[in-house]
Amino acid sequence: EAGVAQSPRYKIIEKRQSVAFWCNPISGHATLYWYQQILGQGPKLLIQFQNNGVVDDSQLPKDRFSAERLKGVDSTLKIQPAKLEDSAVYLCASSSTVANTEAFFGQGTRLTVV
Amino acid sequence: QKEVEQNSGPLSVPEGAIASLNCTYSDRGSQSFFWYRQYSGKSPELIMFIYSNGDKEDGRFTAQLNKASQYVSLLIRDSQPSDSATYLCAVNTGFQKLVFGTGTRLLVSP
Repeated sequence: EAGVAQSPRYKIIEKRQSVAFWCNPISGHATLYWYQQILGQGPKLLIQFQNNGVVDDSQLPKDRFSAERLKGVDSTLKIQPAKLEDSAVYLCASSSTVANTEAFFGQGTRLTVV
Repeated sequence: QKEVEQNSGPLSVPEGAIASLNCTYSDRGSQSFFWYRQYSGKSPELIMFIYSNGDKEDGRFTAQLNKASQYVSLLIRDSQPSDSATYLCAVNTGFQKLVFGTGTRLLVSP
């Protein structure tokens, strides 16, 4: 079974530039998460989708971050414009809709804003 | 109050000892609880999950849940240097929303 795929693995951009990350979840997983993990901290949930609908985006900085999952499969997270404090690893995870099941993580995208 | 709290550590134990990692959560309606291990530069990977009060054992790992005290723990018996990592407690607060703690860094010395 293929895992969660993310790209790119690494990205370096200047502040005020824009960047996009892509995630393809495990086949059949209806729930998709985007997390931000700053060095030394735990993953912070940015947005959670179930199919193509948003379940929770309470911690997504909506003035600069956006995410979509148009067909209920893969997803894109965008930052525009980026700030220095956005430097982090962006983790995508997916899970099935069976109650209380685990989330599986992709390898993450390490973003450095300079 | 943070939704999920962990001591950031580091927790240092000698090889062969028992490591005890703790986690508290604020939402009484939380349904399931997960322990993930994260090596430096890697993604989190699941170690164990627990839904019911009491203990759950899997090899060298034991998860303990006390919903009345809103407390989850992970015991690692016969700790090995390869267990050195950050251990993340995650709580399903409902509708599959998975909230993580800050993680506890474990160092196992040979």
